[in-house]
Amino acid sequence: EDQVTQSPEALRLQEGESSSLNCSYTVSGLRGLFWYRQDPGKGPEFLFTLYSAGEEKEKERLKATLTKKESFLHITAPKPEDSATYLCAVQEREDYKLSFGAGTTVTVRA
Amino acid sequence: KAGVTQTPRYLIKTRGQQVTLSCSPISGHRSVSWYQQTPGQGLQFLFEYFSETQRNKGNFPGRFSGRQFSNSRSEMNVSTLELGDSALYLCASSLGLAGNTIYFGEGSWLTVV
Repeated sequence: EDQVTQSPEALRLQEGESSSLNCSYTVSGLRGLFWYRQDPGKGPEFLFTLYSAGEEKEKERLKATLTKKESFLHITAPKPEDSATYLCAVQEREDYKLSFGAGTTVTVRA
Repeated sequence: KAGVTQTPRYLIKTRGQQVTLSCSPISGHRSVSWYQQTPGQGLQFLFEYFSETQRNKGNFPGRFSGRQFSNSRSEMNVSTLELGDSALYLCASSLGLAGNTIYFGEGSWLTVV
């Protein structure tokens, strides 16, 4: 069964203090690894899909990278509006469902 | 373009009742999946539909069911509600089964009392 583990559970950052979130996964064959951002009371907002080791994608202050066992979401010079829960999910090659990690809650203080 | 639309946004039901939640996918998207989100279990897959056929089902009891219509709109139903069914129910859509991007709606908040 797919396993997705995110760390840390919570991250408190000062505005401008860059950091990284980790998503480690165990899957028999990876079709794609997804990153989402979720604000309280709202649905997950799509950020990135990564497909193969070595792939990187960027969006504003966020950069996602992928290896064969884990993915990192780097937040560069974060702002308070980057405060949210960041969710990682894997989609297996033989199964189209998303298996989610528990998320990392990021709080950025001004 | 319009995103994934879910109705109702909030509802309160009594134990033993049933509930139907509705989802309209992004225009052109043919795959619709449903997830349950709770503080304790996180996001868990319920089922996925493509071209009106259920393609995959998660580990939920038979009280949870769904369907997809010819216009790709989907509904999920929960019968004989239990307190533990209180959750945020999320619908997601993508172009196909192996969607490159899977977009979520804002969810339906169900409280069972």
